[in-house]
Amino acid sequence: DTGVSQNPRHKITKRGQNVTFRCDPISEHNRLYWYRQTLGQGPEFLTYFQNEAQLEKSRLLSDRFSAERPKGSFSTLEIQRTEQGDSAMYLCASSTTSGLTGELFFGEGSRLTVL
Amino acid sequence: AQRVTQPEKLLSVFKGAPVELKCNYSYSGSPELFWYVQYSRQRLQLLLRHISRESIKGFTADLNKGETSFHLKKPFAQEEDSAMYYCALTPLNTDKLIFGTGTRLQVFP
Repeated sequence: DTGVSQNPRHKITKRGQNVTFRCDPISEHNRLYWYRQTLGQGPEFLTYFQNEAQLEKSRLLSDRFSAERPKGSFSTLEIQRTEQGDSAMYLCASSTTSGLTGELFFGEGSRLTVL
Repeated sequence: AQRVTQPEKLLSVFKGAPVELKCNYSYSGSPELFWYVQYSRQRLQLLLRHISRESIKGFTADLNKGETSFHLKKPFAQEEDSAMYYCALTPLNTDKLIFGTGTRLQVFP
């Protein structure tokens, strides 16, 4: 499967613990996005990278959230000191600047449950 | 503020009936608009883009700037159209998508 890959698919953690999610984009894609989706809502933009540069970060994203894409390939999203309100599906997507604007390729998501 | 509104959480129709999924947007400039679809147990994927003026799987969507709407239509619904549909916009000069809350379409046989 050459699509966007996310790990782990499910994560259950206790409040206050740190969690990290990994996203492997489609290999030739230079843009990578993180979204969060809660029940009954559409995906909410968190941040995006072009190559290794983080170009935009949502103002809704607290300081407990950090994302990296160190070599312009895979990306990690870390949540420190998790809270119950962080429970959500975390979606990663990738695209290419040479492709159609707005055509993002999504992964299957990483579901976080904070107890 | 940039916002996408999908007023219906659920739309149920019978096979062969026409379908219209509503989408309204709020944006000061000229956004690009999209419909994304998520079938059961599948990933979110692009269905169509307003700029392409295309028909995909029998669906079309027309951008109405006066009404700031981008409704998705299909004249004859099929059972395989049952899915979650999200309207989204991209502000000018970004590739960031802003999604609506989605509408679940159920097509009954």
